[in-house]
Amino acid sequence: DIQMTQSPSSLSASVGDRVTITCQASQDINIYLNWYQQKPGKAPKLLIYDTSNLETGVPSRFSGSGSGTDFTFTISSLQSEDIATYYCQQYHNLPPAFGQGTQVEIK
Amino acid sequence: QVQLVQSGAEVKKPGASVRVSCKASGYTFTSYGISWVRQAPGQGLEWMGWITPYNGHTNYTQQLQGRVTMTTDTSTRTAYVELSGLRLDDAAVYFCARVGSGYPNYFDSWGQGTLVTVSS
Repeated sequence: DIQMTQSPSSLSASVGDRVTITCQASQDINIYLNWYQQKPGKAPKLLIYDTSNLETGVPSRFSGSGSGTDFTFTISSLQSEDIATYYCQQYHNLPPAFGQGTQVEIK
Repeated sequence: QVQLVQSGAEVKKPGASVRVSCKASGYTFTSYGISWVRQAPGQGLEWMGWITPYNGHTNYTQQLQGRVTMTTDTSTRTAYVELSGLRLDDAAVYFCARVGSGYPNYFDSWGQGTLVTVSS
């Protein structure tokens, strides 16, 4: 099975800061990588699919890049409503696998 | 709009079975798959498996093989997951999510989650 490793596991940043989360796959997954946002007590929400495509309605301050084994998720200017846990997920192979999550907090 | 509405919270004893439902609306039910994902308290997301309502094809995670069964009722546009032989570590919030019909690619709509408590 493919393992997904996210870093950091948590971060604290100020409103307006640029925030970057990385996700590493244990083997080449091409661009088959998605990003989700989960707020406390809520279901996850798809933000980005196929590495860099923004889901409809998602603000443009969210972006993604990468290919192969190394991927990056960026919030260009952190807003208070972005407080959540973010997960990457690969679907190159079954079973689909999620990273362990990155908790984003406001400093 | 796409909506997935799940059944309510369950409390079960170890060894029992639980069935959670997920009623879909706002799209053609047989044109997409349904995946089930669970999340233990304070933990990350764990994929359980996937079913294609069009033909009933299933694929389960190895960790739950033999204990999990996923089904759909196309007449009511409802998906079900049943987990038997419940253990304490099966306590989690269980989510259904819409995925591609031919492959569980991205989970683009989610149910609200169903809390399953396992306690003696």
